Amino acid sequence: SQKIEQNSEALNIQEGKTATLTCNYTNYSPAYLQWYRQDPGRGPVFLLLIRENEKEKRKERLKVTFDTTLKQSLFHITASQPADSATYLCALAFTWPNQAGTALIFGKGTTLSVSS
Amino acid sequence: DSGVTQTPKHLITATGQRVTLRCSPRSGDLSVYWYQQSLDQGLQFLIQYYNGEERAKGNILERFSAQQFPDLHSELNLSSLELGDSALYFCASSVVEGREQFFGPGTRLTVL
Repeated sequence: SQKIEQNSEALNIQEGKTATLTCNYTNYSPAYLQWYRQDPGRGPVFLLLIRENEKEKRKERLKVTFDTTLKQSLFHITASQPADSATYLCALAFTWPNQAGTALIFGKGTTLSVSS
Repeated sequence: DSGVTQTPKHLITATGQRVTLRCSPRSGDLSVYWYQQSLDQGLQFLIQYYNGEERAKGNILERFSAQQFPDLHSELNLSSLELGDSALYFCASSVVEGREQFFGPGTRLTVL
């Protein structure tokens, strides 16, 4: 079955440094890969989507890469700030066999803590 | 504010009971998704509706059911509740299936 792994449960970094989070997946070839931010007790918030034919996508201090050969995405936050502290979730769009719809499968997330 | 609303915010009930969670998607979004999030399992897809029709089912128990109404709001019904059903339940909506989803604030269900 499909599997998404975010290989760090927690990541602690100093303010101003670059945070790099990793998402690996198996048994699937997604057309899109997405990253979400989730604060405690709140719903996930969409950050970035990258297509299988895109190598890199940027939005302000965020950068996502997508390597379909390695089946891996890297998520970078440059010049990190304490306000970036949250859990970051990787998600793949998946179409279930014999079903019409497409939904998201999420990794368990990496909790980032940025200290000042 | 994502534009997706969910009620109630909190629900405390007893084992064996039945509850209904309600979701209103963003204006214009035809797809609605339900997810369950518990500490050990992460965010798990339950079921998807598109313009009133069921489109996909994930790890949804037979005790759970959902529907989407003509005004596009959706309800998730959980019955014969067990302690293990305690979790955060999120609704999300999207314009296009498989693309970015917008999540509601969630309903925290506690089964005692």
